[in-house]
Amino acid sequence: DGGITQSPKYLFRKEGQNVTLSCEQNLNHDAMYWYRQDPGQGLRLIYYSQIVNDFQKGDIAEGYSVSREKKESFPLTVTSAQKNPTAFYLCASSILFARLEGTDTQYFGPGTRLTVL
Amino acid sequence: GNSVTQMEGPVTLSEEAFLTINCTYTATGYPSLFWYVQYPGEGLQLLLKATKADDKGSNKGFEATYRKETTSFHLEKGSVQVSDSAVYFCALTTDTGRRALTFGSGTRLQVQP
Repeated sequence: DGGITQSPKYLFRKEGQNVTLSCEQNLNHDAMYWYRQDPGQGLRLIYYSQIVNDFQKGDIAEGYSVSREKKESFPLTVTSAQKNPTAFYLCASSILFARLEGTDTQYFGPGTRLTVL
Repeated sequence: GNSVTQMEGPVTLSEEAFLTINCTYTATGYPSLFWYVQYPGEGLQLLLKATKADDKGSNKGFEATYRKETTSFHLEKGSVQVSDSAVYFCALTTDTGRRALTFGSGTRLQVQP
C-alpha cells in the first residue's frame, strides 16, 4: 500500500527540547517537502529536498533542521531555537518533471501535531 | 512572487445547495493550479488540478476551470452534502525553481442537513 507516513501523530515537547518528526514515503518520489500549518492559515514551506543528500530552506526555516540520507525519508527536527513551535506539521512528496501528469503533483501525509508544554 | 487569495470562511450552506469558493492568484511563469481538501485532524487530499489555461479539473462532483484572463480558479459543486464539510485550500506551483506549493489561507465549508 503506497503512501506517505508521518509519526508520531501527536507530539509534546518541553521548553528547550529538540524533537524529530518522521516522514517516510514508498512512492519512489524524488522531492519531499515540510510545511507548517497554524490555525486558520494556509501552509508555509519550511524545507524541501529534490534529491538525496541535498535540501533547501523554505520561507520559515529558522529553528528547524532536516536531513535527506535516503530517498524515502525526510525527517524534520524542531530545535529549541524555534520560538513558537506549536503547530500542525505536514510532509509531502512528488515526482519531479512529471511530464505525463503535466505537473509535479504533491501528495501529503496525515500530519503531526506538535504541542509545547 | 507567487500568491493565492481565497474567499474567507466559514461558508455555511444547506444540503443540496450550490457551492462556489473563489480563488485568484498571481504567479511568475506558468502555474499549475490545485484544490486540496482537509478534513478535521487530517492531512491534505488532492481534490482536483489544472495545468494550463482553460483546463477544467473535476472530481467527486467538484469542478474548477483555469481562467488565465481573470487569474482565477474558482471551485464549484452543484449540490453539496454534509460529508463535504471540510477546509478547502487553493494552491499553485510553477514548473521552475523549488516547485513547492503556494497556498491560500483556506476556506472552511459547513454543510447543514
